[in-house]
Amino acid sequence: SQTIHQWPATLVQPVGSPLSLECTVEGTSNPNLYWYRQAAGRGLQLLFYSVGIGQISSEVPQNLSASRPQDRQFILSSKKLLLSDSGFYLCAWSAGLSTEAFFGQGTRLTVV
Amino acid sequence: KNEVEQSPQNLTAQEGEFITINCSYSVGISALHWLQQHPGGGIVSLFMLSSGKKKHGRLIATINIQEKHSSLHITASHPRDSAVYICAVGRCMDSNYQLIWGAGTKLIIKP
Repeated sequence: SQTIHQWPATLVQPVGSPLSLECTVEGTSNPNLYWYRQAAGRGLQLLFYSVGIGQISSEVPQNLSASRPQDRQFILSSKKLLLSDSGFYLCAWSAGLSTEAFFGQGTRLTVV
Repeated sequence: KNEVEQSPQNLTAQEGEFITINCSYSVGISALHWLQQHPGGGIVSLFMLSSGKKKHGRLIATINIQEKHSSLHITASHPRDSAVYICAVGRCMDSNYQLIWGAGTKLIIKP
């Protein structure tokens, strides 16, 4: 069966520090991978998606970047965090277009 | 106006009550998703449907494509059903599949 791992679960980082959140998927090949952010009291916002190794599409211009160094690994990064980067970040995968998405447990990021 | 509207925003009910959460959308879609987000933040996909009705345990999801409306029902509600329920509509745009998310309905079931 397929599983998705996302870590860390919580993170408190100072403004200006770097960020690296990692997501890995097991039990499937060539998944579509997604990074979402959920700000307090708001819906999910798609940040990045990837349909293959090295292929990253950005939905919203921002202080963040994503990379997919391996087929089942998706990394969300920032060189210098801003206060506005605080939020709940979710990684997800799907088998293809128009299919169900499965989510990791999320990372609650607080930038102080 | 948001493309996906959920109602109510908040719902508190007693254990055993029949629960209905509504989702209306204004765009053409390929499918509609219902998801459950627990207090810790984890999200679980409940249903993905493009027509008719689906049932899983005590959960039932219906969709009316003509009226652009979907409902999620919970029968014999239980405190463990307390969570945020999120509706999202999916559509194919420029060879990609776009999900448009509702703001969620926070459900509290009291014992």
